[in-house]
Amino acid sequence: DIQLTQSPSFLSASVGDRVTITCRASQGISSYLTWYQQKPGKAPKLLIYAASTLQSGVPSRFSGSGSGTEFTLTISSLQPEDFATYYCQQLNSYPWTFGQGTKVEIE
Amino acid sequence: QVRLVQSGGEVKKPGASLKVSCKASGYTFITYGISWVRQAPGQGLEWMGWISGYNGDTNYAQKFQDRVTMTTDTSTSTAYMELKSLRSDDTAVYYCARVDWNDSSGFRWGYWGQGTLVTVSS
Repeated sequence: DIQLTQSPSFLSASVGDRVTITCRASQGISSYLTWYQQKPGKAPKLLIYAASTLQSGVPSRFSGSGSGTEFTLTISSLQPEDFATYYCQQLNSYPWTFGQGTKVEIE
Repeated sequence: QVRLVQSGGEVKKPGASLKVSCKASGYTFITYGISWVRQAPGQGLEWMGWISGYNGDTNYAQKFQDRVTMTTDTSTSTAYMELKSLRSDDTAVYYCARVDWNDSSGFRWGYWGQGTLVTVSS
């Protein structure tokens, strides 16, 4: 199985900060990497797919990059509504797997 | 608009079976697949498997292979996930998600159900 390791697991930041979350895959997954945002009690929301394609309706302050084994999610200017948990997911090969999550909290 | 509406929460006893439904609307059901994911309290996301809306082909995570069955009813645009021999560690919120496929970008899960809380307790 492909393991996804996110770093950091926890992040404290302020409104307006630039935030970067990293996702490392245990083996190459081409660009089949997805990012989700999840708020408490809610279903995950798709932010980025194919490593860098912004899902329709998602603010442009979110961006994704990477290929192979290393990927990043960047929030260019953190907004109050961005405080949430973020997950990466690989859809390159079965079983599809998720990273352990990165919780972004208010500093 | 695309909607996935899941069945309501349930309380089950250990050893019982569970069947969660996911009713789709706003798109042609057979054009897309449905994936199932669960999330234990305070934990991360765990993929269970997915089913093609077109032909019913399935792919299950090895962990659930002998306990899970995913089906669809194309006449009602509904997907089902049945989990047998429930244990206390099956307590979780279960989500369905629509699986899109594109030659250039691969799979994408753009729409999710609201989640179904399942509690397994004696």
